[in-house]
Amino acid sequence: QKEVEQDPGPLSVPEGAIVSLNCTYSNSAFQYFMWYRQYSRKGPELLMYTYSSGNKEDGRFTAQVDKSSKYISLFIRDSQPSDSATYLCAMREAAGNKLTFGGGTRVLVKP
Amino acid sequence: DVKVTQSSRYLVKRTGEKVFLECVQDMDHENMFWYRQDPGLGLRLIYFSYDVKMKEKGDIPEGYSVSREKKERFSLILESASTNQTSMYLCASSLGVSHGELFFGEGSRLTVL
Repeated sequence: QKEVEQDPGPLSVPEGAIVSLNCTYSNSAFQYFMWYRQYSRKGPELLMYTYSSGNKEDGRFTAQVDKSSKYISLFIRDSQPSDSATYLCAMREAAGNKLTFGGGTRVLVKP
Repeated sequence: DVKVTQSSRYLVKRTGEKVFLECVQDMDHENMFWYRQDPGLGLRLIYFSYDVKMKEKGDIPEGYSVSREKKERFSLILESASTNQTSMYLCASSLGVSHGELFFGEGSRLTVL
C-alpha cells in the first residue's frame, strides 16, 4: 500500500463547477500538507500549504486537513479552464524536509 | 523571479550510456532534490542535498548518483542507463528545513532505448 493515495482521475467538470480533490495517507507523523499544481510539460508549483488540521482559504482555493481521518482535501470554486492541470498532494513530517507525494489527479475544466 | 533551470528538456540515450542531468538554481537555496515522475506513481525522491558536497539517498537511489560541487548546481548521473530509467526527471530546491516549499524546474524527459 502506498503511503499517500490519490485518485488519478481524470476528473472532468464544466466551467464554474466546484472541483473536489482528496488524498488519504497512512503515516500519522505527517504534519505539513501541501497541494501542488502541474500544467502539462511543466514542473509542479506550490498552490496551498497547511500545518496540522483545519482549513485554509486562498481566493478560490480551500484546503482542508483532517488528521484524525488521515484525509486532506482541496476545493476549487468557480473553476476555470485555466485550472485544468494535474494536482499533486504532498506531505511531510515535522522533522526534515523530505516530502512524500501522491500520484496526482488530472483535472479538466470544460468551457 | 525564482528560477530552477534544467539544462536538457528532452534526451534520448541508449542502454549502457552514461547520462548527466544538470540543474542550476539562482535562489541561493541550501537544499536541492532530484525526483523522477512516472504515471500513477507521482514523484519519487532519488537523492537530495542539504549543502555543498553533501548528499543523502532518497527512496529510489539505485542506479543513480549525484554531485553537488557548488551551492547552485546539483547534477544527477546515470552511470549505465537502462530502459527502466525512462522517465521525467524533476529537479527542485528549497530554502531550509523549516520551509517546505519546493521550487521545481521544468523537467527533463529521458528516453532510454
